[in-house]
Amino acid sequence: GQQLNQSPQSMFIQEGEDVSMNCTSSSIFNTWLWYKQDPGEGPVLLIALYKAGELTSNGRLTAQFGITRKDSFLNISASIPSDVGIYFCAGLTGAQKLVFGQGTRLTINP
Amino acid sequence: GAVVSQHPSWVICKSGTSVKIECRSLDFQATTMFWYRQFPKQSLMLMATSNEGSKATYEQGVEKDKFLINHASLTLSTLTVTSAHPEDSSFYICSAWRGAGADTQYFGPGTRLTVL
Repeated sequence: GQQLNQSPQSMFIQEGEDVSMNCTSSSIFNTWLWYKQDPGEGPVLLIALYKAGELTSNGRLTAQFGITRKDSFLNISASIPSDVGIYFCAGLTGAQKLVFGQGTRLTINP
Repeated sequence: GAVVSQHPSWVICKSGTSVKIECRSLDFQATTMFWYRQFPKQSLMLMATSNEGSKATYEQGVEKDKFLINHASLTLSTLTVTSAHPEDSSFYICSAWRGAGADTQYFGPGTRLTVL
């Protein structure tokens, strides 16, 4: 089946540092999405990418959709304490099903 | 807009009992609702896709007779875990999709199920 490989699995950074995480797939997806999940909550959409090569920003977050449509990265600049959480990439299939990566757990030291 | 609620937010039940979880789209009509399961420190795994007025389609390995899904209206889908066992303890999350032309799915806050 389709799988997304997300890395790193966890990150421990200082407040103010920039963060980068990425996702690769063995399959092509026409839409890539990045979500953030806080403990005990459902995932919240951060950025959606619809075109290969697309670079999209949402405040301090920037994400790019790889040219091959098999990868994506998410950058967070100048991290703040509320950025703590688990970040998931997801690919959207033609049947509107979401395939999630394993997640990146972000911890920030003040 | 695009708010999805789940009820209950958490439930504890005895082994062998059945538990019903509701997923509602509060301010839009959802052509399709999806049910996910998330075990601790793991990712979300799609269990089934539910279309209003038709039978749900289940992902490989998900028992349809154990996880009963009903999508009776465009704003409500229910997941019933029948004869629950401790291994069914998990975080169950639904999402709702408006339909063709919609940008994305919107997720509910999840339901924590603990089976004793």
